[in-house]
Amino acid sequence: GQQVMQIPQYQHVQEGEDFTTYCNSSTTLSNIQWYKQRPGGHPVFLIQLVKSGEVKKQKRLTFQFGEAKKNSSLHITATQTTDVGTYFCAGLILTGGGNKLTFGTGTQLKVEL
Amino acid sequence: GAVVSQHPSWVICKSGTSVKIECRSLDFQATTMFWYRQFPKQSLMLMATSNEGSKATYEQGVEKDKFLINHASLTLSTLTVTSAHPEDSSFYICSARLAGAPHEQYFGPGTRLTVT
Repeated sequence: GQQVMQIPQYQHVQEGEDFTTYCNSSTTLSNIQWYKQRPGGHPVFLIQLVKSGEVKKQKRLTFQFGEAKKNSSLHITATQTTDVGTYFCAGLILTGGGNKLTFGTGTQLKVEL
Repeated sequence: GAVVSQHPSWVICKSGTSVKIECRSLDFQATTMFWYRQFPKQSLMLMATSNEGSKATYEQGVEKDKFLINHASLTLSTLTVTSAHPEDSSFYICSARLAGAPHEQYFGPGTRLTVT
């Protein structure tokens, strides 16, 4: 079946350091979405990328969608303690039964002072 | 806009009992709703896709007779966990898709189920 993998699984950084999580799909994606989930919370939508090679920025966050639309990355510049949480990519895959969002395995980010 | 609520937010039940979880789109009509399950420190796994007025489509490995889904209106879908067992303890999250916006899903706050 379709799989969406993320690396690394965990990342500990010192506040101020940069952080990157990578997302890879075994299947070409219609679009890629990124979510952040705080401990005990639910996933919160961050952004959606649709076009091949697309790059979007949200303040300190930079999102990229690969040329082949099978991989993506999220880069956080100068992390802060508020960035703590698990970041999930989710790929939208077109199937005969409709669009299906497949979540990646997630990267848990911890930021230490 | 595009707010999705879930009720209850958490529930504890005894093994063998059934639990109903509601998912509502508060300010929009959702022709399609999705039910996910998330075990601790794991990703969200799609359980089923629920279309208003029709039977839900279940993912492989999800027992349709155990996880009953009803989507009777454009703003409400329910998931009933029947004869719950401790291994059903999990975080259940629904999402709703706006009619005419097939690429966007809005997630509810989740329901934490603990079966004792």
